[in-house]
Amino acid sequence: SALTQPASVSGFPGQSITISCTGSRSDVGAFNYVSWYQQHPGRAPRLMIYDVNSRPSGVSDRFSGSKSGDTASLTISGLQAEDEADYYCSSNTGEFSWVFGGGTKLTVL
Amino acid sequence: QVQLVESGGGVVQPGRSLRLSCAASGFTFRTHGMHWVRQAPGKGLEWAAYISSDETKINYIDSVKGRFTISRDNSKDALYLQMNSLRPEDTAVYYCAKRGFCSGGTCYPWHFDSWGQGTLVTVSS
Repeated sequence: SALTQPASVSGFPGQSITISCTGSRSDVGAFNYVSWYQQHPGRAPRLMIYDVNSRPSGVSDRFSGSKSGDTASLTISGLQAEDEADYYCSSNTGEFSWVFGGGTKLTVL
Repeated sequence: QVQLVESGGGVVQPGRSLRLSCAASGFTFRTHGMHWVRQAPGKGLEWAAYISSDETKINYIDSVKGRFTISRDNSKDALYLQMNSLRPEDTAVYYCAKRGFCSGGTCYPWHFDSWGQGTLVTVSS
C-alpha cells in the first residue's frame, strides 16, 4: 500500500519545513532506497533526493533527506517561493517493485 | 541530456486497448531499466510497470497484471506499454521514467532518474 505523507505543509520564505514519509518494515524500513520527487502543476516529476540522502547534480543543497526506522523525511531549508509544489516519496518494496507516497502539497506563505 | 517522449494516449472506451510509446535519447537506452508510472487526475503518482535492460525482469502493480504488457525495442531506443481491457480507473497521465543512473563505475538504480512529459489516457464511454 501507498506510503503515508501529510496532505499539506506550509512555511514562510526563509524557514525550514520537513515532510515525513511513513512506510513499514517491508519498504522504507527494509531498504535505504527512499527517493523524493518535486512536481509543479502540469509538469513531470523531478528527482530531488535518492538513496535516502543523496542529491542529484543540479539540486539545491537546501534539500536534504533522512530516515529513521520506517519513516523517511525531506527537509527544505531557506524556503523559497519556487519550492511551492507537490512532493512525493518513493521506496523500493522488494525485487523490482516500487511504491509512492500519497503526496504532500507545500505552500509557501 | 536525457530526453523521454511519450505518445499514444487518447480517449478510449472501457474494454478497449491502447498502446503507449516512449522514445528515449541522450543516454545508452539498452543498459537501463525503464518504468511506467501513472497519475490519475488530481491524484498521486503510482508505479505501474518495470522492465529490465535485457527484458529478463518484468513486474507490474497488481491492478494491471494480466491486462498491461511492458516491452522495449533496444534497437529503436523505445519503450512500450500495451494496455488491454482498459477500465475507467486506468484514466491517468502515463509517464515513462529511466531507472537510476551510473556514475564513476557505480550504479544507483533504485529511483526514477528522469521522466518524460507524460501522455494522457482517458477511459470513458
